[in-house]
Amino acid sequence: DGGITQSPKYLFRKEGQNVTLSCEQNLNHDAMYWYRQDPGQGLRLIYYSQIVNDFQKGDIAEGYSVSREKKESFPLTVTSAQKNPTAFYLCASSIGTANYGYTFGSGTRLTVV
Amino acid sequence: AQSVTQLDSHVSVSEGTPVLLRCNYSSSYSPSLFWYVQHPNKGLQLLLKYTSAATLVKGINGFEAEFKKSETSFHLTKPSAHMSDAAEYFCVVSDNYGQNFVFGPGTRLSVLP
Repeated sequence: DGGITQSPKYLFRKEGQNVTLSCEQNLNHDAMYWYRQDPGQGLRLIYYSQIVNDFQKGDIAEGYSVSREKKESFPLTVTSAQKNPTAFYLCASSIGTANYGYTFGSGTRLTVV
Repeated sequence: AQSVTQLDSHVSVSEGTPVLLRCNYSSSYSPSLFWYVQHPNKGLQLLLKYTSAATLVKGINGFEAEFKKSETSFHLTKPSAHMSDAAEYFCVVSDNYGQNFVFGPGTRLSVLP
């Protein structure tokens, strides 16, 4: 079955550490996105990529980095520069532009300990 | 710029009664509109989408929404609530080019037995 796989489901990070969240899709979608979700808030866009080897900052990119070396993969690194990283992170993909709608992964919950 | 207002942060209904989740949008372009549902600690699932075809859109699980341009609304309805409908619902607007995808803050639906 086609879909998006995010791993791990739960992740704990010590302060000052970088961590990488995985996002893999086998839908042959061109575009991929990373969102952050905080309690009681909507989703906020971190980064997005329309094609391989290209990505753009979203609304809250500071403290995060991404890469898009393969069409199927769009990993997100939460760096030590991100001062409040505890959140639920969602990866999504779309066949082209967002007008087609997104397919979401099941999310990674990151907690700083 | 696009924006989305979900008028209720929390809606509570009894099982078997109708559901109404309200959404108003602002867009400079002809928008595409979506409703997504999120169950606890899960990713988002597309319920339905409007992309300038029929104004009454039918989605999964018995949900439907009506696009009313004059009222800039896209309210989500269901004739009879089921316990499994309890979740967070997000209204989303995308501009005509799909480059800007804006989430509303979400409405939490509780279904009482």
